[in-house]
Amino acid sequence: DTAVSQTPKYLVTQMGNDKSIKCEQNLGHDTMYWYKQDSKKFLKIMFSYNNKELIINETVPNRFSPKSPDKAHLNLHINSLELGDSAVYFCASSQGRVAAFFGQGTRLTVV
Amino acid sequence: QKEVEQNSGPLSVPEGAIASLNCTYSDRGSQSFFWYRQYSGKSPELIMFIYSNGDKEDGRFTAQLNKASQYVSLLIRDSQPSDSATYLCAVYQTGANNLFFGTGTRLTVIP
Repeated sequence: DTAVSQTPKYLVTQMGNDKSIKCEQNLGHDTMYWYKQDSKKFLKIMFSYNNKELIINETVPNRFSPKSPDKAHLNLHINSLELGDSAVYFCASSQGRVAAFFGQGTRLTVV
Repeated sequence: QKEVEQNSGPLSVPEGAIASLNCTYSDRGSQSFFWYRQYSGKSPELIMFIYSNGDKEDGRFTAQLNKASQYVSLLIRDSQPSDSATYLCAVYQTGANNLFFGTGTRLTVIP
């Protein structure tokens, strides 16, 4: 049983397109996160939700919009994709304030 | 200055040796420190955390914290080839309500 699952695992798309990544956790955690890991393996938080409420909103372009329909789901929608958006995006969850369980990642390639 | 700094490596140690991974942080008020392991192409996995000065041991892993020097380390005893991975140091800054990651140290254990 996967604790944090995100789909799709791979996403290849053209510049200017809009795409979504979905994430679900079955751990009963209150907090969910989106992280971006660049080609140099640097992991940086983008957003964090606690019980569907946005609590961390780092400086990311407003083309990125998270949505949390309930505390078990946190989706990421990206408008007008750019080459620089290519990265691996990780969803994570925790009961406390520190990401404890990560999803398998979505490798986004913008061409 | 980056919030968390690590030597990117690669660090190579022979099987059975002690691997020592180091990390420094900039925010003197930080209270919580974490180590994640990330295998190539996989997601980060939380393996250790430490809050107080001194050592914390868990099996072959020991986390060490020196707040005066703003220094955290992870020792892996009896290193195994399966320990080969990138190790990410992370520091929780209470003021920023955020977890900051280093860029990771790539460890290779040579059989």
